[in-house]
This record gives sequence, C-alpha cells and structure tokens, in this order.
Amino acid sequence: SQTIHQWPATLVQPVGSPLSLECTVEGTSNPNLYWYRQAAGRGLQLLFYSVGIGQISSEVPQNLSASRPQDRQFILSSKKLLLSDSGFYLCATEWSGDTGELFFGEGSRLTVL
Amino acid sequence: GQNIDQPTEMTATEGAIVQINCTYQTSGFNGLFWYQQHAGEAPTFLSYNVLDGLEEKGRFSSFLSRSKGYSYLLLKELQMKDSASYLCAVRDSNYQLIWGAGTKLIIKP
Repeated sequence: SQTIHQWPATLVQPVGSPLSLECTVEGTSNPNLYWYRQAAGRGLQLLFYSVGIGQISSEVPQNLSASRPQDRQFILSSKKLLLSDSGFYLCATEWSGDTGELFFGEGSRLTVL
Repeated sequence: GQNIDQPTEMTATEGAIVQINCTYQTSGFNGLFWYQQHAGEAPTFLSYNVLDGLEEKGRFSSFLSRSKGYSYLLLKELQMKDSASYLCAVRDSNYQLIWGAGTKLIIKP
C-alpha cells in the first residue's frame, strides 16, 4: 500500500535562514507529488507539483523552490526564509484508486521568527 | 476566478446531525472531495462525488448538485471526535484541486 512521509514535523527558524523539507513516498512508482501550504484559518495553497523526476511546476511566485531528485522524493527549499513563510506545509500524492484523491504526509509546521 | 465557499465555523451537539454546505464556481468540474482535518494534523479523505446525488459512508454522507454548484456533507450521530475542520475541494477541468478555506466544526456535549 502507498505511504507518504515528510519531515521534520516542527521547526522554528530565524528570518533569512535556509529551509529544507523532505517528502518520500512508498508503495508506488512515478507518483504525482505536491507541496501545499496552509496558513492559519485558510485553505490549502498549492505551491509546487511534480509529475516526474526533475519536472517541477510552480504555482505561485515566491522565495521557495522544489526539487525531485528521485522518483519518490520531493524536497521543498528556501535559501532565505521570510516571516510570511510561516505555516503548515503538506506533501501529498494521489491515491492510485479510481477517484484519485490526494493523501497527505504528516505535515511540517514552520515558524519563522 | 474560481471560488469555493463554505461556512467558517459551525457548532453542534453530541448525538445530533449537522450539515456543512459548500458552493463552488470553477472552470469545469471533475469531482468534489470532502476532507476532515483535526487540529495540527494533515487532512484525511472522507468522500468523493462526481455524479449528482447522495453518497453514504457510515455516519457520513455527501451530496452533490452539479447544476447548482452545491454540495453538502452530512454528519449523523455526532461524536466528540468529529470536532475538526472539514474541507471542500473541487477538481477543475485542468484536474487541479481548488480548495475551500474549511469549516471548523465544534461539538458540544
């Protein structure tokens, strides 16, 4: 069965510091992968999605970037964090069943101070 | 633009029934999803509707009317553990998911 993991679960970073969040998927090959951000009391904002190794689509201009170095690995990065980068970051992939719903990693809560 | 509306917050009593509405305006339609999200956790999938009508899954049911751009999630026999946010999402003609901001459901004893 498919599983998805992301880490770290929680981090507190100063403004201007770098960021790296990692997500891995098991139990499937060539998955579509997504990075979302959820600000407090707001809906999910799609940041990046990837349909294959090295293929990244960016949905919003920002100081974040994503990479997919391996088929089942998706990384979210920043060279210099802003206060506005604080939020709950979620990695997701599509369930391989008929409906294709998304299922999510555990989430990473980022606080930028 | 694309838009999904759902109430910000609702309160209900343990053992009762609650209906959470979702209206949408999207570029095309390829299915509607409901997710449950407990505080501090990731969303988990609840239901999927692509045709008009009611889908029942235990205590939870979801209804869709494509002509009205409307869906609701019905929760019966409410339990304290149902306290969570409920997210409505629509897959548009480009197969992109458009998300509502979520409805925070508070269950009182």
